[in-house]
Amino acid sequence: SQQGEEDPQALSIQEGENATMNCSYKTSINNLQWYRQNSGRGLVHLILIRSNEREKHSGRLRVTLDTSKKSSSLLITASRAADTASYFCATDEGPYSGAGSYQLTFGKGTKLSVIP
Amino acid sequence: ETGVTQTPRHLVMGMTNKKSLKCEQHLGHNAMYWYKQSAKKPLELMFVYSLEERVENNSVPSRFSPECPNSSHLFLHLHTLQPEDSALYLCASSQDPVSGITEAFFGQGTRLTVV
Repeated sequence: SQQGEEDPQALSIQEGENATMNCSYKTSINNLQWYRQNSGRGLVHLILIRSNEREKHSGRLRVTLDTSKKSSSLLITASRAADTASYFCATDEGPYSGAGSYQLTFGKGTKLSVIP
Repeated sequence: ETGVTQTPRHLVMGMTNKKSLKCEQHLGHNAMYWYKQSAKKPLELMFVYSLEERVENNSVPSRFSPECPNSSHLFLHLHTLQPEDSALYLCASSQDPVSGITEAFFGQGTRLTVV
């Protein structure tokens, strides 16, 4: 079942502007992750934020997590044309079962276009 | 390059064909996954292997058959597929999540077209 749901579905901005994408989820989580996917290629992990963290930074990326609202946001500052891609949030819900399996549940993604 | 390699990158097959997708990881991970990505739908988890044992099968039709001969290799055997099975098939790996690390590393995917 779908857990994370990104908003907006598509976002178009000018190079140099900031891009903000949001993710909402339904159940309790162990952590939330953001991934990036260039057209027709594999996903690349960007950042992981644990359920007891509220904010995390990595380069031009800033992620926030509000577990009371079951939501997260990804901010990309000073965007570049190369940031054009789809961005997905994924939730790790646990609990773990079997031989350590887990379910990482993805949303439909936000398609970001950065115009030079 | 993420350390997860999928072959082939593109595959066109008829509904009566049998083919296999291959995934290989060189990261020393214990868990491997198959995901299906169709247009305008969320990524769907198909199979999970942990320490070469299948631990999740999310109600996937039997025309998809996974195989994990060792912790570095994962296959997806395909037979008598339907046109709606056309999609991007992604392989991923991670360290066993019991250790608390669940970041997934994805391959570049196999674009499958069933005609």
